Formats: sequence, structure tokens, C-alpha cells
Amino acid sequence: NAGVTQTPKFRVLKTGQSMTLLCAQDMNHEYMYWYRQDPGMGLRLIHYSVGEGTTAKGEVPDGYNVSRLKKQNFLLGLESAAPSQTSVYFCASRPWTGRTEAFFGQGTRLTVV
Amino acid sequence: AQKVTQAQTEISVVEKEDVTLDCVYETRDTTYYLFWYKQPPSGELVFLIRRNSFDEQNEISGRYSWNFQKSTSSFNFTITASQVVDSAVYFCALSEANGANSKLTFGKGITLSVRP
Repeated sequence: NAGVTQTPKFRVLKTGQSMTLLCAQDMNHEYMYWYRQDPGMGLRLIHYSVGEGTTAKGEVPDGYNVSRLKKQNFLLGLESAAPSQTSVYFCASRPWTGRTEAFFGQGTRLTVV
Repeated sequence: AQKVTQAQTEISVVEKEDVTLDCVYETRDTTYYLFWYKQPPSGELVFLIRRNSFDEQNEISGRYSWNFQKSTSSFNFTITASQVVDSAVYFCALSEANGANSKLTFGKGITLSVRP
């Protein structure tokens, strides 16, 4: 069972470059989330989606865009990367019933130089 | 708005000591869910427990136990007879009931170091 898969696992970007992080889940979950993890800051919600074609801003959305064109995929885009976006990014999914725990991907370590 | 506070940032204990990790939450909802996750040094997030707002029974799973008290908005996690393998970052999280705003909010995490 694949669960939640993030692509890529590691990436180094130069300031100003763009990239897209892909999150794919095979559990038919409605909700999907993108978090960033920085030392001492815990997991902060960037954007989330409650279903195909819908997205919403989280706690730290600036500098990121997302799309959920297909239910199983949730894309996180950086249009012009900045060193402040150096972080570990986690994707998560869960069913529409909020009582269920979220399932996380392995994380993507992004460095912007 | 929902909020999770983990006031302890780092805890260091010697193996076999008991340790309690605190979690305090805020929400306006009457129906909500609380979670604990573990992040070992390898980096993945491991689900430990889920509790809904209507179930205040404490839970025990081996060396782990959880104390949920609505009166103090707390969901504390105790590890009994800690082991080196318990060294990790532990996150408490809160989710409101299903709905369009079903965010999952995490605390900042507690780094637990268990020394041999």
C-alpha cells in the first residue's frame, strides 16, 4: 500500500527558481494538507483542500500556490523560491470525517540557496 | 480559531524515568478530535492516538497513557519507564468536526531525549 507519496524527496533550488511538489494518495481521501516544518515552529499549515477542485489558505500561505485538479493529487507550487522557503514539507490526507487521523507522506527537504 | 499549545519545548530524562508531555488546546467547537504524533529522528510522522471530545476516558497502551480533561482543555501524554527508543519529537494536534473548515492544527512539538 502506497498511502501518501511525495515527490521529490530532496531538492535544491536557486533563489527565484520555481518548482512543484507533488502529493499523491491512493486512499480516496477527501481532505489533503500541505505543511512546512521548521525548527522550533512545529508543523504549520500552508494550504489545504476539502475536495477536488477546492483549496483554502492555511496559516502561512504566502509565496505558495496549490491545485487539486484530481482527488488523489495535491500540488504545491513555489513560483519564485526564496531562502525563507527552505524547509521540510509534509503532505497529509484524511477522509472527510474529521475524527480520523491524517496520513502523512515521507516529507520533502527543500533547500533554497 | 483553534490552537494547540505545547509549552514544553525540550525534555531530557534518564532511561526508566516516567515523563509527561503536556498539551493544551483551544477551540470553540463542542465536537472536536485530538491526536498525538511521534516524529523519530528518521523524520516520518507516526500516529499514536486519537480522542474525540465526547470520550474523556483515559487510555493506556503498553507504556503509553493519555489523560484527556475537558475541564482544563488538556490532553497529556505519559510515557512510563522511558526507553532510548522513545527519543523523538512529539506533536499534539486538534481537528474540528468534519466540515469545510476541517483544518488539522499542530502544536510546536516537544523534543524528548531519553539518555541511557
